[in-house]
Amino acid sequence: GAVVSQHPSWVICKSGTSVKIECRSLDFQATTMFWYRQFPKQSLMLMATSNEGSKATYEQGVEKDKFLINHASLTLSTLTVTSAHPEDSSFYICSAIGHTNEKLFFGSGTQLSVL
Amino acid sequence: DAKTTQPPSMDCAEGRAANLPCNHSTISGNEYVYWYRQIHSQGPQYIIHGLKNNETNEMASLIITEDRKSSTLILPHATLRDTAVYYCIVRATSGTYKYIFGTGTRLKVLA
Repeated sequence: GAVVSQHPSWVICKSGTSVKIECRSLDFQATTMFWYRQFPKQSLMLMATSNEGSKATYEQGVEKDKFLINHASLTLSTLTVTSAHPEDSSFYICSAIGHTNEKLFFGSGTQLSVL
Repeated sequence: DAKTTQPPSMDCAEGRAANLPCNHSTISGNEYVYWYRQIHSQGPQYIIHGLKNNETNEMASLIITEDRKSSTLILPHATLRDTAVYYCIVRATSGTYKYIFGTGTRLKVLA
């Protein structure tokens, strides 16, 4: 199946710093990428949808200035958590879908811990 | 909001079939039923999807009722490695096609 690579797997940072998470589709062109966050023992919550070359669409309640999403190419999207605070600590997961718009493939996730 | 409801948890004996139900009574004609599973601290893994016909692949079978208001994912011979949270999602493949996850079913396969 298609492969989506997410990096880093885990990151620990100090409060107030920014963290960038990369998501790459390795063997297909990702026309759309989705970013989720997940708290312990909870389901995945959709944060935003990004299409290549256009601005991301954020879900209600998600601060676009806090979570910057860039989808500059058909194989790469990045999520930057700006001025991270302890409440931003979470598991962030990216996913990508190609031209067939049929299956969504997920990255392995990034565990962010903000001290 | 998620358009599916699933039981929060289920147990299954190793080697037996695991049958995971999903209710999607408000499903639209152009919406597919997708199943994913998530093993602890990993990204979700695609299992299977279908529109109205039953589907089978190397991982599982998907049985969709004739009225499409519910479905069942069947793992024919559950193993300990099938212990995971299973998510049922309905989604159109055109227009607004976001994947919205519900609470899922936590399946525990018992030795």
